[in-house]
Amino acid sequence: KAGVTQTPRYLIKTRGQQVTLSCSPISGHRSVSWYQQTPGQGLQFLFEYFSETQRNKGNFPGRFSGRQFSNSRSEMNVSTLELGDSALYLCASSSSGQREETQYFGPGTRLLVL
Amino acid sequence: AQSVTQLGSHVSVSEGALVLLRCNYSSSVPPYLFWYVQYPNQGLQLLLKYTSAATLVKGINGFEAEFKKSETSFHLTKPSAHMSDAAEYFCAAKPFSGGYNKLIFGAGTRLAVHP
Repeated sequence: KAGVTQTPRYLIKTRGQQVTLSCSPISGHRSVSWYQQTPGQGLQFLFEYFSETQRNKGNFPGRFSGRQFSNSRSEMNVSTLELGDSALYLCASSSSGQREETQYFGPGTRLLVL
Repeated sequence: AQSVTQLGSHVSVSEGALVLLRCNYSSSVPPYLFWYVQYPNQGLQLLLKYTSAATLVKGINGFEAEFKKSETSFHLTKPSAHMSDAAEYFCAAKPFSGGYNKLIFGAGTRLAVHP
């Protein structure tokens, strides 16, 4: 089975722009979660989608949003980019979103905001 | 609120020496616990997980971890370090209730292995 894929792998944007990141989960997985990784704040949970519904959300401003499509692929959008949004954005998928399940991570999208 | 603490942001060992990476969680009800490894410019790879079955959990690449409820700990060990073990290691918890699939991560421990 192919793993979790994320596109693009690298992205450079300027302040005020918006960006959309894409995540394709492992085939058959219905839960997709997003995390932000920065040197200062570490790994922080953004949100989780399951069967096209946002099931859980972390403590991020409304500029961060996401969605999930019927094929379980997910997109994350950040509007009005700030310098502090520079980070590695990781997507993870799991089969049915049960707590004991393993979340499988993609390689991430590295976003640089100038 | 659930939190995860990893003692030591940097650990350095000699090749062949014991690896011990520390992780403590804070909750009265033990959560599900995970150890992930991250190599440079890559995502996270699961090493092992505790889901309230056996307290001694064996993972990939010779790693294991022991869940100790009395100490609220889930330390990661490997008897003999290899150069290829150099990476960043993250301990993570999923609360037993609420939060569904949300992983709460520790700050990470960067492991260096020298010859």
